[in-house]
Amino acid sequence: ELKVEQNPLFLSMQEGKNYTIYCNYSTTSDRLYWYRQDPGKSLESLFVLLSNGAVKQEGRLMASLDTKARLSTLHITAAVHDLSATYFCAVDMEYGNKLVFGAGTILRVKS
Amino acid sequence: NAGVTQTPKFQVLKTGQSMTLQCAQDMNHEYMSWYRQDPGMGLRLIHYSVGAGITDQGEVPNGYNVSRSTTEDFPLRLLSAAPSQTSVYFCASSYSRAGYGYTFGSGTRLTVV
Repeated sequence: ELKVEQNPLFLSMQEGKNYTIYCNYSTTSDRLYWYRQDPGKSLESLFVLLSNGAVKQEGRLMASLDTKARLSTLHITAAVHDLSATYFCAVDMEYGNKLVFGAGTILRVKS
Repeated sequence: NAGVTQTPKFQVLKTGQSMTLQCAQDMNHEYMSWYRQDPGMGLRLIHYSVGAGITDQGEVPNGYNVSRSTTEDFPLRLLSAAPSQTSVYFCASSYSRAGYGYTFGSGTRLTVV
């Protein structure tokens, strides 16, 4: 059974600081997704990582995937208040339908 | 394009009532799925479909039924609502080809009293 663990579950950080959210998963997969969710809203796709060593960047966020270590990271550079949200990683058990989500990381950026 | 459309956005049910949550997509996605979101637990897969006429169970299927008669629609039926089904429900769709992510609907917030 695939399990996905995120840490930390809650992150409070100052504006301008850097931090990393970790996503570990328990069985082989080379398809990992990062989503952002604002309170009361739907999930917004941030990154789709489809191979070992994949690295993608968008603004102050950078995601990477190490399939051998079964680890993905979401790195935040010089955080700003607008990045405050809940971030989820999700792994595909078999492509197309069986996403397994982590519990989510609640990020609060304080000015 | 509307993307993935879910209705209703909010619903209150009494224990034992039944209802259908609607989900429609206009992107010609082959795959559609339903998730429920509970605090501190991320999203969990209820049922999914790889195409019209084909459905299968996810992690938490008990108390829910689905059908997929067309590519566009994937309704979720609650047979006899229970307080444990109080949750936020999301429908998602995707292409069958690798390289594409999932598109999520706006969600249905269901309360069972």
